[in-house]
Amino acid sequence: TQLLEQSPQFLSIQEGENLTVYCNSSSVFSSLQWYRQEPGEGPVLLVTVVTGGEVKKLKRLTFQFGDARKDSSLHITAAQPGDTGLYLCAGAEGAGSYQLTFGKGTKLSVIP
Amino acid sequence: ETGVTQTPRHLVMGMTNKKSLKCEQHLGHNAMYWYKQSAKKPLELMFVYSLEERVENNSVPSRFSPECPNSSHLFLHLHTLQPEDSALYLCASSREAGLGNEQFFGPGTRLTVL
Repeated sequence: TQLLEQSPQFLSIQEGENLTVYCNSSSVFSSLQWYRQEPGEGPVLLVTVVTGGEVKKLKRLTFQFGDARKDSSLHITAAQPGDTGLYLCAGAEGAGSYQLTFGKGTKLSVIP
Repeated sequence: ETGVTQTPRHLVMGMTNKKSLKCEQHLGHNAMYWYKQSAKKPLELMFVYSLEERVENNSVPSRFSPECPNSSHLFLHLHTLQPEDSALYLCASSREAGLGNEQFFGPGTRLTVL
């Protein structure tokens, strides 16, 4: 069974600060997705990374896929209260599979 | 309505009750999914349907019974549940089943089993 470890589990920061959250595994994934889930809602896909070493930017969010495709990071610059939520990473095991392996998530609180 | 909708949003049931969760997607997708989200555990895939046919069943107990009458609707029938089944049940859809297809999630049904 492939596992994804996310760290930190909880993060509380002041508005304007930068932060990085991590998603690590001992297994290789064909692709990795990041989701944000707000209270009372389902997860919303932020980005999919496919190529080892790939970096994608989404406004103030920067996503990186490790060279070996076993880990990923999400960096947020100048965090805002609207960034508050549960950040989930999910790895795809391979082509043809329906299974996404999810991490437990990082719960981020950005204090105004 | 747009996106993926789920009803009810909250459900409290006893262990001897029978209830059903409903999911509807308005995106024209061909694949639909049920997930279970428990506190302190990762999201768990329960069932996958592609064009109304079940293509994945992740060793889910038989007290959970899915039904997909058409590609827009998905049900999860519940009977004789246990307190440990209390969780957020999320429905999702995608254009096609399988990876590479973005999954769109509904808001979930918060289930409490007494």
